[in-house]
Order: sequence, then C-alpha cells, then structure tokens
Amino acid sequence: RKEVEQDPGPFNVPEGATVAFNCTYSNSASQSFFWYRQDCRKEPKLLMSVYSSGNEDGRFTAQLNRASQYISLLIRDSKLSDSATYLCVVTLTGNQFYFGTGTSLTVIP
Amino acid sequence: ETGVTQSPTHLIKTRGQQVTLRCSSQSGHNTVSWYQQALGQGPQFIFQYYREEENGRGNFPPRFSGLQFPNYSSELNVNALELDDSALYLCASSHGDEQYFGPGTRLTVT
Repeated sequence: RKEVEQDPGPFNVPEGATVAFNCTYSNSASQSFFWYRQDCRKEPKLLMSVYSSGNEDGRFTAQLNRASQYISLLIRDSKLSDSATYLCVVTLTGNQFYFGTGTSLTVIP
Repeated sequence: ETGVTQSPTHLIKTRGQQVTLRCSSQSGHNTVSWYQQALGQGPQFIFQYYREEENGRGNFPPRFSGLQFPNYSSELNVNALELDDSALYLCASSHGDEQYFGPGTRLTVT
C-alpha cells in the first residue's frame, strides 16, 4: 500500500473557481504534512505546511484530519498562474518525505 | 530560488554505465535527501544524509549509493544503469522539517 494517495485528476477549472484537493495517508505515525507545487519540468516548491488547526495563506487553505488520515488543500478564486501539479507530502521518522503522485490542475481563461 | 544547485542538468548514459550526480545544499542546511521522479509520478525517496552519515533509505537497490561531504554537499552514484533508471533526480536540503529542492538532473539511459 502506498504511503500517500492522491487523485491524479486532471482538474480543469475556470478562472475564479474554487477547487479542492484531498490526499490520504496510510501511516498513523506520520509526523509532518506539506503541500508542494510543481510546474512542468521544474522542481517541487513548498506551497505550505499543514497543521491540525488548519492554516491559510491568501487564497490557499490547508487542513489536516489526523483521525481520518487525510489532508486537504483549497484554492479560492483560481488564477491562470495556479496551473501546476500539487503534491501532497507526509513525513515519518527521520524527516523522510513521502510524496503522492500529484494532482494536476489547469485553470482555464 | 532555494539556493540548492545540482549538476549536471541533463545527462545521457547507456545501460550498464555508472553515473555520479552532484548537489550543493542551501547554506546552513546539514541534511540532504535524494529523490527519483519518473514521468507522471511523485518523487520517490532514495536516501538521506545527515552530517555525512546515511540517515534513512528508501526502497532502492544497493547500486544506488551516496556521499555527503563536510560542507554538506552531496553525491548520488548509480552503478550498472538500467533503462528504468531514466528519471529526474532531485536533491533537497533541509534544516528542520521543510525541504527545499534543487532544479534536478534529468538522466536518460539508452
């Protein structure tokens, strides 16, 4: 079983739409949680950390549900520049990152 | 920019050859992790080095090996290359929870 599961999409949404991505993880001992963004043929870049209390950064909101072992990312008022692949990450001991396969988002004019 | 650099950016090798990839960490980061990302997949953890010692390893065979140097830069070595080794190889440096990735080395094995 994979450590992290994501719906690969693709998600095609119009500008201004709200879109949500979910991710589940299998190991209840997972310690830290992140969302990374990866543009085509580029390296992953940290979008935001995810906390149980939830956190918000502008149009982006991330939530962690430890009981159900899932992580979510909400993007409001989508922009063309949000088009990318969004990678869910969990860590176990030793700060070893486990990535999901990524969810592809295309924002359409 | 993350301050993490990798070389070379692209590389073509033939099956059975050996390859060395290099990574320079962000200043002050003492931990380096290496990942393999096949097309259409998320990065897969290869191994991690902390202060020159291996600090965890993913599900990769022994022909994948690494080093970390006193300045925290790192190398990934792959022996006996196979066609399935064709991928983007990413290194990430960290000092704490968050990891910052270099631009990657794209390896093609023919």
